[in-house]
Amino acid sequence: RKEVEQDPGPFNVPEGATVAFNCTYSNSASQSFFWYRQDCRKEPKLLMSVYSSGNEDGRFTAQLNRASQYISLLIRDSKLSDSATYLCVPSCSSASKIIFGSGTRLSIRP
Amino acid sequence: DVKVTQSSRYLVKRTGEKVFLECVQDMDHENMFWYRQDPGLGLRLIYFSYDVKMKEKGDIPEGYSVSREKKERFSLILESASTNQTSMYLCASSSLLERGQYFGPGTRLTVT
Repeated sequence: RKEVEQDPGPFNVPEGATVAFNCTYSNSASQSFFWYRQDCRKEPKLLMSVYSSGNEDGRFTAQLNRASQYISLLIRDSKLSDSATYLCVPSCSSASKIIFGSGTRLSIRP
Repeated sequence: DVKVTQSSRYLVKRTGEKVFLECVQDMDHENMFWYRQDPGLGLRLIYFSYDVKMKEKGDIPEGYSVSREKKERFSLILESASTNQTSMYLCASSSLLERGQYFGPGTRLTVT
């Protein structure tokens, strides 16, 4: 099993829709979790941090299920500018154990 | 506002050359990282540093070395560049407490 697994997509949804994607991780020692977004040919940008059961920031909600070892990202009222690749990162106390998922591509159509 | 800068956006070097990639952060972060990103392979950690003069190998350290003489600066060195080191190189930093990483704009290195 890969350490971090994400559905590569692409998810192609209309503007205004709600979209959600999951990320599963294999290391049960992971303590903190992050979602990044990466636009084409740009660097990843930190989107959300998740330390307990979940986090909400405007249209974005991240939820953590430790028992099943997955985190999800929900985007409500999606905008064209949300089109990007979303990377999931579970993190342990050791920086050497930070593993980036390969990302889920999201495309919002008008 | 958080800022991580990298010395070059694009770099072309010849096989066998020594290459220096520099990264500077202005957030007083303890941790700094070097990654490479290749299509289909995602982000792979080369080295990271959790303090001045401290470094640890990541997943793919072969062919690379690093230097961290000052807290804000982390350098990646390719001792003898090879064509399979053609890639996008990304530097990042994070604090000990928050741990979310902030990335520089990347250096696209081509080795011919």
